[in-house]
Amino acid sequence: GENVEQHPSTLSVQEGDSAVIKCTYSDSASNYFPWYKQELGKGPQLIIDIRSNVGEKKDQRIAVTLNKTAKHFSLHITETQPEDSAVYFCAASYYGNNRLAFGKGNQVVVIP
Amino acid sequence: DTEVTQTPKHLVMGMTNKKSLKCEQHMGHRAMYWYKQKAKKPPELMFVYSYEKLSINESVPSRFSPECPNSSLLNLHLHALQPEDSALYLCASSQDVGTDTQYFGPGTRLTVL
Repeated sequence: GENVEQHPSTLSVQEGDSAVIKCTYSDSASNYFPWYKQELGKGPQLIIDIRSNVGEKKDQRIAVTLNKTAKHFSLHITETQPEDSAVYFCAASYYGNNRLAFGKGNQVVVIP
Repeated sequence: DTEVTQTPKHLVMGMTNKKSLKCEQHMGHRAMYWYKQKAKKPPELMFVYSYEKLSINESVPSRFSPECPNSSLLNLHLHALQPEDSALYLCASSQDVGTDTQYFGPGTRLTVL
C-alpha cells in the first residue's frame, strides 16, 4: 500500500517568516494529495489539496506544490501568524480508493 | 458548508458499559468514515460506509459496531471496551465513494476506565 513520509516532525518559525513542510509518497498511482491542519482538541481541517494534473495550487497564504517525478509534494505557508501553530498532516490517495494514507504529522510552532 | 458534527464531545465509560457515538452531515455526501486517532499520531481508518452499506472494515475488533441508519447519520456502538481504546474518534464524509476529499468532524474524546 501507499506509504507517506513527512518531514520535518517539528518546525519552529518566527512570525512573518515562511514555513515549508515536505512529504514523499511511494505509490506512483496516487493522484490526490490533501493537507489537513489540526489544532489542539479539534478534528483535522482540510486546508488545501492538489491533484496530479497540476503542479501548484495557491489559496491566499497557503500553497502546495507537486513533483510527480520525484514523488513529493510540499506545503508552503507564507507570512506565518500565531494562529498557524498546529499539527499539519499530508496524505495521499488515488481516485476510488477511499483510503487516505497519512504522513505522521508535523508540529508547526509560530513564535510571536 | 462542509460541516460534520459529532456527539458527544467527550465520553468516559467503564469497560462493561455500552455507549454510542453519533455523527451527522447534511452535505448530501454518500460516503462516511470512522477513524481512531491516538495522541500525536495520524488518524487510522476503521470503517467506510458507501451508500449506507459497509464497504470497508479495517479488521476492527467486534467491540466496535458501526451503523448507518440513513445517508446523513453514522453511529459507532461501543461495548466492553478496553483502556487502550481511549482515543479521539473522528467521523468524516466525502461526496461519493470515488471522491477523495474527506471532511472531518471535531471528534469525540473517549476515555475508557
